[in-house]
Amino acid sequence: NAGVTQTPKFQVLKTGQSMTLQCAQDMNHNSMYWYRQDPGMGLRLIYYSASEGTTDKGEVPNGYNVSRLNKREFSLRLESAAPSQTSVYFCASSEISRSGRSSYNEQFFGPGTRLTVL
Amino acid sequence: AQTVTQSQPEMSVQEAETVTLSCTYDTSESNYYLFWYKQPPSRQMILVIRQEAYKQQNATENRFSVNFQKAAKSFSLKISDSQLGDTAMYFCAFMSQAGTALIFGKGTTLSVSS
Repeated sequence: NAGVTQTPKFQVLKTGQSMTLQCAQDMNHNSMYWYRQDPGMGLRLIYYSASEGTTDKGEVPNGYNVSRLNKREFSLRLESAAPSQTSVYFCASSEISRSGRSSYNEQFFGPGTRLTVL
Repeated sequence: AQTVTQSQPEMSVQEAETVTLSCTYDTSESNYYLFWYKQPPSRQMILVIRQEAYKQQNATENRFSVNFQKAAKSFSLKISDSQLGDTAMYFCAFMSQAGTALIFGKGTTLSVSS
């Protein structure tokens, strides 16, 4: 199993350009997430998808859109990139259990995409 | 809103020594999950250890253990017999039982030297 894969690994954009970050998981997880990591800030949630067909905003959604293409794939789109979106982007997936006594809820992360916007 | 605080931006330790990384959190919930993730220079996020809040027993994974103090809302990570490969940034993270996403602290950079 590849786990969570992300493409590309690195990208440089000019201000105003658009691009889509791709994420796929092969663990049959229902939930998928996009985080960004900035120096000194830890990881912050951009968007998440609790299940196929649903998406919800996280802490820092402005400037981004997402698509849950199917159960495996969850893409993140920057319509008009800005220097403030320079960051490392992580995709993650998990199987959420709300039973209260479950050992699930671990999130598995992809290798990340380093994006620079000039 | 839940918050996670890691008060030690950087720490250093010698090989074979023991080090403890601190984490405190704030929540009004009674059931939740706590995690420590390791991020080496490769950038990959790796789960180190997990604790369910309803369990009183502290979680352990080989050289890694936690001191979970629910009343104090404290969740520290102890690394015993430190190895060079433990050099990484360590993140404490919280997930509510009702929520779906992780809330991360800002991280602690740990350097292990020989």
